Amino acid sequence: AQSVTQLDSQVPVFEEAPVELRCNYSSSVSVYLFWYVQYPNQGLQLLLKYLSGSTLVKGINGFEAEFNKSQTSFHLRKPSVHISDTAEYFCAVRPRLFSGGYNKLIFGAGTRLAVHP
Amino acid sequence: NAGVTQTPKFRVLKTGQSMTLLCAQDMNHEYMYWYRQDPGMGLRLIHYSVGEGTTAKGEVPDGYNVSRLKKQNFLLGLESAAPSQTSVYFCASSLTGGIRRRYEQYFGPGTRLTVT
Repeated sequence: AQSVTQLDSQVPVFEEAPVELRCNYSSSVSVYLFWYVQYPNQGLQLLLKYLSGSTLVKGINGFEAEFNKSQTSFHLRKPSVHISDTAEYFCAVRPRLFSGGYNKLIFGAGTRLAVHP
Repeated sequence: NAGVTQTPKFRVLKTGQSMTLLCAQDMNHEYMYWYRQDPGMGLRLIHYSVGEGTTAKGEVPDGYNVSRLKKQNFLLGLESAAPSQTSVYFCASSLTGGIRRRYEQYFGPGTRLTVT
């Protein structure tokens, strides 16, 4: 079984400051990793994903994440945030083993990023 | 290309009433999913479908039924609504072909349901 822990439920930050949203996972098998963003009153959209290769993954809107296998982490970072980055961010994992075609995503509880002027 | 759409956007039900949520996608995706989102719990899978005419239970299926009569539509039904089903419901879809493209799920805007 897999589980995802997002270590901070809320992260307040000032505009133009750097931010890191932390995500740890637990799994007995290898996983693929994702970050989704949910803007107020909208659905989720994919920010970035790690499937294989370089452990540093770049996504949309200047975000990047680093996969650390030894620490089972996939933290999301942005060097300088904007007011428009205010949203809820979800970390998710999917086991690499093929399970009958079911694209099973396990989500963390979410981190609410609030960017203040 | 509208992506994934959900109907209705908001709904208030009384305990015991029934309703159906409609999800439609125009991307020719094979897989479709229904999630519920509750504060502090992330998204939890209710039911999913790997193709037209097939459905399966997810993590929290009790109190819900689904149908996938057409490839582009995935319906979620509540036969007898309970206050515990107050939540935001999201539909999603994904491709089946191409290893890398299979893993991205595309989400609808959500339906906010309140059961009183």
